[in-house]
Amino acid sequence: SQQGEEDPQALSIQEGENATMNCSYKTSINNLQWYRQNSGRGLVHLILIRSNEREKHSGRLRVTLDTSKKSSSLLITASRAADTASYFCAPHGGSNYKLTFGKGTLLTVNP
Amino acid sequence: DAGVIQSPRHEVTEMGQEVTLRCKPISGHDYLFWYRQTMMRGLELLIYFNNNVPIDDSGMPEDRFSAKMPNASFSTLKIQPSEPRDSAVYFCASRLAGQGNNEQFFGPGTRLTVL
Repeated sequence: SQQGEEDPQALSIQEGENATMNCSYKTSINNLQWYRQNSGRGLVHLILIRSNEREKHSGRLRVTLDTSKKSSSLLITASRAADTASYFCAPHGGSNYKLTFGKGTLLTVNP
Repeated sequence: DAGVIQSPRHEVTEMGQEVTLRCKPISGHDYLFWYRQTMMRGLELLIYFNNNVPIDDSGMPEDRFSAKMPNASFSTLKIQPSEPRDSAVYFCASRLAGQGNNEQFFGPGTRLTVL
């Protein structure tokens, strides 16, 4: 498995604005997942994008994947205070089931 | 389903004491993962099991750490003796092989403080 690196480390926005977080990785992947972690809780799976997909939507979430640049982005539209959390990407390649997480992006949505 | 269950939720102990963390994965899941999260190092995979067998323990920091999975519904992570630098939040996660979305389900974590 390989580790994704999220950028920025922290992001503060106003409610209603869009939030964009980025993830870079180093080697080829089969898929890439995004997870959310609310303060004091475990990680929750948000969305998975496969290596042959370029964009995927789920509600207010939009994920893009550029395998040539080895990068992904997570866009949260019309953010809410409840979106305040840390967001982690997990690029996955190979046949094992390991996931390796970076340090995440801490998103703060101010009401 | 109750999700992944971890106990205790909080543990405070003194240096040198033995600590045992417990995890009950989601029923039917055949993979179980133990992670440790700290501000400095982020979220680290310690060990994972498949069908109760340890597959990769390369993340276990040292011999003071050991993990077991005696059956499909229970796993323990033991630290003996504990040290202050072991203070962290320990998460257990499980998944079902063959699931197309590769999703892991995390428990709420155990916050360990070693004084």
